[in-house]
Amino acid sequence: AQSVAQPEDQVNVAEGNPLTVKCTYSVSGNPYLFWYVQYPNRGLQFLLKYITGDNLVKGSYGFEAEFNKSQTSFHLKKPSALVSDSALYFCAVRDSGFKTIFGAGTRLFVKA
Amino acid sequence: DAGITQSPRHKVTETGTPVTLRCHQTENHRYMYWYRQDPGHGLRLIHYSYGVKDTDKGEVSDGYSVSRSKTEDFLLTLESATSSQTSVYFCAISEPSGEAKNIQYFGAGTRLSVL
Repeated sequence: AQSVAQPEDQVNVAEGNPLTVKCTYSVSGNPYLFWYVQYPNRGLQFLLKYITGDNLVKGSYGFEAEFNKSQTSFHLKKPSALVSDSALYFCAVRDSGFKTIFGAGTRLFVKA
Repeated sequence: DAGITQSPRHKVTETGTPVTLRCHQTENHRYMYWYRQDPGHGLRLIHYSYGVKDTDKGEVSDGYSVSRSKTEDFLLTLESATSSQTSVYFCAISEPSGEAKNIQYFGAGTRLSVL
């Protein structure tokens, strides 16, 4: 069965510093991987996805993610964090058919 | 929130009462999903639908039923609410093809408290 793991409950970073939110996955076959963000009292919003092609995927709000097949990782990155990036981030993998499996989430806190 | 309306947004009910949550979409997406979000668990799939009258169970379906009589509406029913069903419920939609293939779009959520 497909699964994703987000090893950190919370990530703290200072504004202007680079940020990384980690995700590892387990799939059979080619992985379809996603990152979503959730702001307080809102539903999840799509950030980016990896289907095939370049290992570095660019998404919304300056975020990017690096796909690493040998390490089965799909870490979310941003070169310079903003206070407004503070939110809950979810990594996800497409399961068989059209279902998606979500990680437990990582809370990002960016300090001014 | 991508043409998805969840109602009600907040509800407080008593143990043992039936509760129905509604999800309405204006995007004409084929697939619809109900999730619950609880601290430490992320999102867990309750039920999903792959077309009108076509539904199936997710990983936490016990105590829940769904119906989809029209493309735009997906109802989630708690037959007899229990305190363990206190949660935030999210509806999502997706399409199986095209540029946005497999991307899920979420409603704003329904916060349900069962006392």
